[in-house]
Amino acid sequence: ELKVEQNPLFLSMQEGKNYTIYCNYSTTSDRLYWYRQDPGKSLESLFVLLSNGAVKQEGRLMASLDTKARLSTLHITAAVHDLSATYFCAVDPLKGGNEKLTFGTGTRLTIIP
Amino acid sequence: ETGVTQSPTHLIKTRGQQVTLRCSSQSGHNTVSWYQQALGQGPQFIFQYYREEENGRGNFPPRFSGLQFPNYSSELNVNALELDDSALYLCASSRGGGAGSAFFGQGTRLTVV
Repeated sequence: ELKVEQNPLFLSMQEGKNYTIYCNYSTTSDRLYWYRQDPGKSLESLFVLLSNGAVKQEGRLMASLDTKARLSTLHITAAVHDLSATYFCAVDPLKGGNEKLTFGTGTRLTIIP
Repeated sequence: ETGVTQSPTHLIKTRGQQVTLRCSSQSGHNTVSWYQQALGQGPQFIFQYYREEENGRGNFPPRFSGLQFPNYSSELNVNALELDDSALYLCASSRGGGAGSAFFGQGTRLTVV
């Protein structure tokens, strides 16, 4: 059974600081998604990583994928309050993908002014 | 705005009743996946429909069933509702075939009392 683990589960950080969220998964996969969820809302797609070594950046967020280590990271640079949300990684375990996603536990990020 | 719409947005049902949730997929997408997200947890894959056929199922009992229509919209039906079925139900629309796209609707919040 595929397991997807994120750490930390909770993260409180000050504005302006940098931090990294880690996503480990238990099976081979070359496709990993990152989503953001605000309280009571749906999932907003942030990044889709489709190959080993993939790196994508959008604003203060950067995601990377190491399929050999079965690890993805979401790096936050110079955090601002608007980034406060819960972040999920999700793995598509089928080689080539079929969008049947297994989600991590989520990381609740709080940015303190 | 993903173009994936779900209805209704909120619903309250009594234990033992039946419920139908609806999802309209994004234009050009032929695959719909349904997820259940309990409070404080990550979404759990229920099943996927591709070109009107069920294309994979997660660890959910048969009282969770679905349909996909020729226009690729989809329904999720849950019979004999239990209190634990209270959750946010999300549908994700994708192009299928590992295209690396999975966009979520705003969700339906189901409360079973």
